[in-house]
Amino acid sequence: DAGITQSPRHKVTETGTPVTLRCHQTENHRYMYWYRQDPGHGLRLIHYSYGVKDTDKGEVSDGYSVSRSKTEDFLLTLESATSSQTSVYFCAISTDGISNQPQHFGDGTRLSIL
Amino acid sequence: GQQVMQIPQYQHVQEGEDFTTYCNSSTTLSNIQWYKQRPGGHPVFLIQLVKSGEVKKQKRLTFQFGEAKKNSSLHITATQTTDVGTYFCAGGGATNKLIFGTGTLLAVQP
Repeated sequence: DAGITQSPRHKVTETGTPVTLRCHQTENHRYMYWYRQDPGHGLRLIHYSYGVKDTDKGEVSDGYSVSRSKTEDFLLTLESATSSQTSVYFCAISTDGISNQPQHFGDGTRLSIL
Repeated sequence: GQQVMQIPQYQHVQEGEDFTTYCNSSTTLSNIQWYKQRPGGHPVFLIQLVKSGEVKKQKRLTFQFGEAKKNSSLHITATQTTDVGTYFCAGGGATNKLIFGTGTLLAVQP
């Protein structure tokens, strides 16, 4: 498997608290992605990055922000978590952002907002 | 916006039976990718199809890309318990993103 590490793997927190999820890669891939996975919805793109300090929104970006200060790290922040953000979050990487490149996924973070 | 629908949502088969999942896009795709996710795991890339009418095989798995590049299918011959999981298609289009289908959960009874 590609060298992708997500942390934490599990988190339970309360509504209104800030939450930051981390994705770390050792592959030096340019593109990084954050998805959320919910029953009946498959994988939905939250934000992605095409380089250091270069990010763009996906289809479900409301309530989320991201930062990429180094090639290897991509952070996803929920400024004020809500119960609707309870989900499994996956980070993915690819060599290129052109959508014909395979994506490699991390093991996921299971986040519960009470 | 671009949508990718996948059917069925769930399929239960006896070991040894065949299985097929179908993927349909609202727009023409540049390519289609297939991923498998084992229960509790993460999606793993299986294959990519690029050409109209393309057919690729991986052992018991056969992948097809439609002539109009708007649909695709994955067929598994003689399922085994190791095939259990959710199979996702993902379409590449005009945007710089992959659009994932909703997935088909395959259960295989020994």
